[in-house]
Amino acid sequence: DTEVTQTPKHLVMGMTNKKSLKCEQHMGHRAMYWYKQKAKKPPELMFVYSYEKLSINESVPSRFSPECPNSSLLNLHLHALQPEDSALYLCASSQLDSEQFFGPGTRLTVL
Amino acid sequence: RKEVEQDPGPFNVPEGATVAFNCTYSNSASQSFFWYRQDCRKEPKLLMSVYSSGNEDGRFTAQLNRASQYISLLIRDSKLSDSATYLCVVRPGNQFYFGTGTSLTVIP
Repeated sequence: DTEVTQTPKHLVMGMTNKKSLKCEQHMGHRAMYWYKQKAKKPPELMFVYSYEKLSINESVPSRFSPECPNSSLLNLHLHALQPEDSALYLCASSQLDSEQFFGPGTRLTVL
Repeated sequence: RKEVEQDPGPFNVPEGATVAFNCTYSNSASQSFFWYRQDCRKEPKLLMSVYSSGNEDGRFTAQLNRASQYISLLIRDSKLSDSATYLCVVRPGNQFYFGTGTSLTVIP
Protein backbone atom coordinates (compact mmCIF):
# COMPACT_ATOMS: atom_id res chain seq x y z
CA ASP A 1 0.00 0.00 0.00
CA THR A 2 1.71 3.15 -1.22
CA GLU A 3 -1.23 5.43 -0.67
CA VAL A 4 -1.65 8.63 1.29
CA THR A 5 -5.28 9.66 1.68
CA GLN A 6 -6.61 13.12 2.40
CA THR A 7 -10.08 14.40 3.28
CA PRO A 8 -11.92 16.41 2.25
CA LYS A 9 -11.04 16.78 -1.44
CA HIS A 10 -12.58 20.23 -1.57
CA LEU A 11 -13.36 22.71 1.18
CA VAL A 12 -15.00 26.11 1.06
CA MET A 13 -14.98 28.10 4.27
CA GLY A 14 -15.64 31.58 5.51
CA MET A 15 -13.08 33.63 7.37
CA THR A 16 -14.74 32.96 10.73
CA ASN A 17 -15.08 29.19 10.33
CA LYS A 18 -13.06 26.45 11.99
CA LYS A 19 -12.31 23.37 9.93
CA SER A 20 -9.80 20.53 9.84
CA LEU A 21 -7.94 18.74 7.08
CA LYS A 22 -7.10 15.08 7.59
CA CYS A 23 -4.32 12.88 6.24
CA GLU A 24 -3.67 9.17 6.72
CA GLN A 25 -0.94 6.75 5.64
CA HIS A 26 -0.41 3.05 6.40
CA MET A 27 3.07 2.63 4.97
CA GLY A 28 4.78 2.78 8.37
CA HIS A 29 6.42 6.07 7.46
CA ARG A 30 7.77 7.98 10.44
CA ALA A 31 7.84 11.44 8.83
CA MET A 32 4.74 13.34 7.70
CA TYR A 33 4.50 16.73 6.06
CA TRP A 34 2.05 19.51 5.26
CA TYR A 35 2.61 21.62 2.15
CA LYS A 36 0.72 24.54 0.65
CA GLN A 37 0.73 24.93 -3.12
CA LYS A 38 -0.46 27.89 -5.15
CA ALA A 39 -1.09 27.69 -8.89
CA LYS A 40 2.06 27.39 -11.04
CA LYS A 41 4.31 27.28 -7.95
CA PRO A 42 6.10 24.36 -6.29
CA PRO A 43 4.83 22.98 -2.97
CA GLU A 44 5.80 25.18 -0.04
CA LEU A 45 6.65 23.35 3.19
CA MET A 46 4.56 24.23 6.24
CA PHE A 47 5.23 21.58 8.88
CA VAL A 48 7.20 18.37 9.37
CA TYR A 49 6.45 15.71 11.96
CA SER A 50 9.11 13.14 12.73
CA TYR A 51 8.18 10.24 15.04
CA GLU A 52 4.95 12.11 15.85
CA LYS A 53 6.84 15.17 17.09
CA LEU A 54 6.79 18.52 15.33
CA SER A 55 10.32 18.94 14.00
CA ILE A 56 9.93 21.80 11.51
CA ASN A 57 7.54 24.75 11.49
CA GLU A 58 8.30 27.06 8.60
CA SER A 59 7.08 30.24 10.31
CA VAL A 60 3.47 29.41 9.49
CA PRO A 61 0.80 31.77 10.92
CA SER A 62 -0.93 30.49 14.05
CA ARG A 63 -4.27 30.28 12.21
CA PHE A 64 -2.83 26.96 10.93
CA SER A 65 -2.40 24.41 13.71
CA PRO A 66 -1.02 20.93 12.99
CA GLU A 67 -1.65 17.82 15.04
CA CYS A 68 -0.26 14.29 14.82
CA PRO A 69 -2.54 12.00 16.90
CA ASN A 70 -0.55 8.86 16.00
CA SER A 71 2.00 7.59 13.51
CA SER A 72 -0.59 7.16 10.74
CA LEU A 73 -2.60 10.35 11.08
CA LEU A 74 -1.90 14.01 10.52
CA ASN A 75 -4.40 16.84 10.90
CA LEU A 76 -4.29 20.51 10.02
CA HIS A 77 -6.70 22.68 11.99
CA LEU A 78 -7.80 25.89 10.32
CA HIS A 79 -9.23 28.96 12.04
CA ALA A 80 -9.82 32.55 10.97
CA LEU A 81 -8.23 32.05 7.56
CA GLN A 82 -7.75 34.78 4.98
CA PRO A 83 -8.70 34.65 1.26
CA GLU A 84 -4.96 34.48 0.39
CA ASP A 85 -4.83 31.13 2.21
CA SER A 86 -6.84 29.60 -0.63
CA ALA A 87 -4.60 26.92 -2.16
CA LEU A 88 -4.06 23.19 -2.58
CA TYR A 89 -2.96 21.67 0.73
CA LEU A 90 -0.86 18.56 0.28
CA CYS A 91 0.06 15.96 2.84
CA ALA A 92 3.06 13.70 2.29
CA SER A 93 4.88 10.96 4.16
CA SER A 94 8.27 9.33 3.92
CA GLN A 95 10.72 7.08 5.62
CA LEU A 96 13.55 9.06 7.16
CA ASP A 97 15.94 8.43 4.28
CA SER A 98 13.85 8.00 1.14
CA GLU A 99 11.31 9.58 -1.18
CA GLN A 100 8.04 11.27 -0.25
CA PHE A 101 4.62 10.07 -1.23
CA PHE A 102 1.91 12.69 -1.61
CA GLY A 103 -1.80 12.53 -0.98
CA PRO A 104 -4.22 13.93 -3.58
CA GLY A 105 -4.58 17.18 -1.65
CA THR A 106 -7.42 19.31 -0.34
CA ARG A 107 -8.39 22.25 -2.52
CA LEU A 108 -9.28 25.02 -0.07
CA THR A 109 -11.20 28.16 -0.92
CA VAL A 110 -11.57 30.88 1.72
CA LEU A 111 -14.37 33.35 1.08
CA ARG B 1 20.61 31.75 -2.75
CA LYS B 2 17.89 29.19 -3.50
CA GLU B 3 18.47 25.61 -2.39
CA VAL B 4 17.43 24.30 -5.81
CA GLU B 5 17.45 26.18 -9.12
CA GLN B 6 15.45 24.88 -12.07
CA ASP B 7 14.65 26.37 -15.46
CA PRO B 8 10.85 26.89 -15.42
CA GLY B 9 10.57 26.60 -19.21
CA PRO B 10 8.07 26.22 -20.74
CA PHE B 11 9.38 23.55 -23.06
CA ASN B 12 7.17 22.90 -26.10
CA VAL B 13 8.42 19.93 -28.10
CA PRO B 14 7.01 17.78 -30.91
CA GLU B 15 6.10 14.16 -30.33
CA GLY B 16 9.12 11.91 -30.63
CA ALA B 17 11.59 14.60 -29.57
CA THR B 18 14.22 14.23 -26.88
CA VAL B 19 14.12 16.81 -24.11
CA ALA B 20 16.40 17.40 -21.13
CA PHE B 21 15.83 19.23 -17.85
CA ASN B 22 18.52 20.31 -15.39
CA CYS B 23 18.57 21.42 -11.80
CA THR B 24 21.39 22.74 -9.67
CA TYR B 25 21.48 22.51 -5.88
CA SER B 26 23.47 24.49 -3.33
CA ASN B 27 23.87 22.11 -0.37
CA SER B 28 26.83 19.82 -1.05
CA ALA B 29 25.75 17.59 1.86
CA SER B 30 22.55 16.58 0.01
CA GLN B 31 22.22 12.82 -0.14
CA SER B 32 19.00 12.05 -1.96
CA PHE B 33 17.67 13.35 -5.25
CA PHE B 34 14.39 12.82 -7.05
CA TRP B 35 12.32 13.80 -10.06
CA TYR B 36 8.58 14.21 -9.56
CA ARG B 37 5.91 14.72 -12.18
CA GLN B 38 2.88 16.89 -11.47
CA ASP B 39 -0.18 17.05 -13.71
CA CYS B 40 -2.48 20.06 -13.63
CA ARG B 41 -4.48 20.21 -10.37
CA LYS B 42 -3.03 16.89 -9.15
CA GLU B 43 -0.45 15.96 -6.55
CA PRO B 44 3.25 15.44 -7.38
CA LYS B 45 4.05 11.81 -8.15
CA LEU B 46 7.48 10.25 -7.93
CA LEU B 47 8.93 9.69 -11.39
CA MET B 48 12.30 8.38 -10.34
CA SER B 49 15.00 8.61 -7.74
CA VAL B 50 18.42 9.75 -8.96
CA TYR B 51 21.45 7.64 -8.10
CA SER B 52 25.12 8.51 -8.29
CA SER B 53 25.70 6.02 -11.08
CA GLY B 54 22.78 7.34 -13.11
CA ASN B 55 19.65 5.33 -13.73
CA GLU B 56 17.24 4.63 -16.52
CA ASP B 57 13.57 3.67 -16.58
CA GLY B 58 12.31 3.10 -20.10
CA ARG B 59 12.42 6.41 -21.96
CA PHE B 60 13.58 8.32 -18.86
CA THR B 61 17.20 8.70 -17.76
CA ALA B 62 18.32 10.53 -14.63
CA GLN B 63 21.86 11.64 -13.92
CA LEU B 64 23.61 13.11 -10.89
CA ASN B 65 26.81 15.14 -11.01
CA ARG B 66 27.97 15.70 -7.43
CA ALA B 67 31.07 17.67 -8.41
CA SER B 68 29.00 20.27 -10.24
CA GLN B 69 25.97 19.83 -7.99
CA TYR B 70 23.38 19.25 -10.66
CA ILE B 71 20.86 16.60 -11.60
CA SER B 72 19.30 16.02 -14.98
CA LEU B 73 16.35 14.24 -16.53
CA LEU B 74 16.33 13.10 -20.14
CA ILE B 75 13.09 12.08 -21.83
CA ARG B 76 13.47 10.26 -25.15
CA ASP B 77 10.75 9.73 -27.77
CA SER B 78 8.36 12.19 -26.07
CA LYS B 79 4.70 11.21 -25.90
CA LEU B 80 1.66 13.49 -25.60
CA SER B 81 1.10 11.95 -22.17
CA ASP B 82 4.47 13.28 -20.98
CA SER B 83 2.99 16.81 -20.88
CA ALA B 84 3.23 17.88 -17.25
CA THR B 85 5.36 19.87 -14.84
CA TYR B 86 8.57 18.16 -13.76
CA LEU B 87 9.92 18.99 -10.31
CA CYS B 88 13.42 18.22 -9.14
CA VAL B 89 13.71 17.57 -5.42
CA VAL B 90 16.81 17.48 -3.22
CA ARG B 91 16.91 16.04 0.26
CA PRO B 92 19.59 17.00 2.80
CA GLY B 93 18.38 15.51 6.09
CA ASN B 94 14.70 15.53 6.94
CA GLN B 95 13.62 18.29 4.58
CA PHE B 96 12.82 18.19 0.88
CA TYR B 97 13.72 21.17 -1.30
CA PHE B 98 11.79 21.65 -4.52
CA GLY B 99 12.82 23.34 -7.71
CA THR B 100 10.31 25.70 -9.27
CA GLY B 101 9.24 23.00 -11.76
CA THR B 102 9.67 22.84 -15.53
CA SER B 103 6.56 22.86 -17.69
CA LEU B 104 6.63 20.46 -20.65
CA THR B 105 4.07 20.40 -23.45
CA VAL B 106 4.41 17.73 -26.11
CA ILE B 107 2.77 18.82 -29.34
CA PRO B 108 1.22 16.41 -31.87
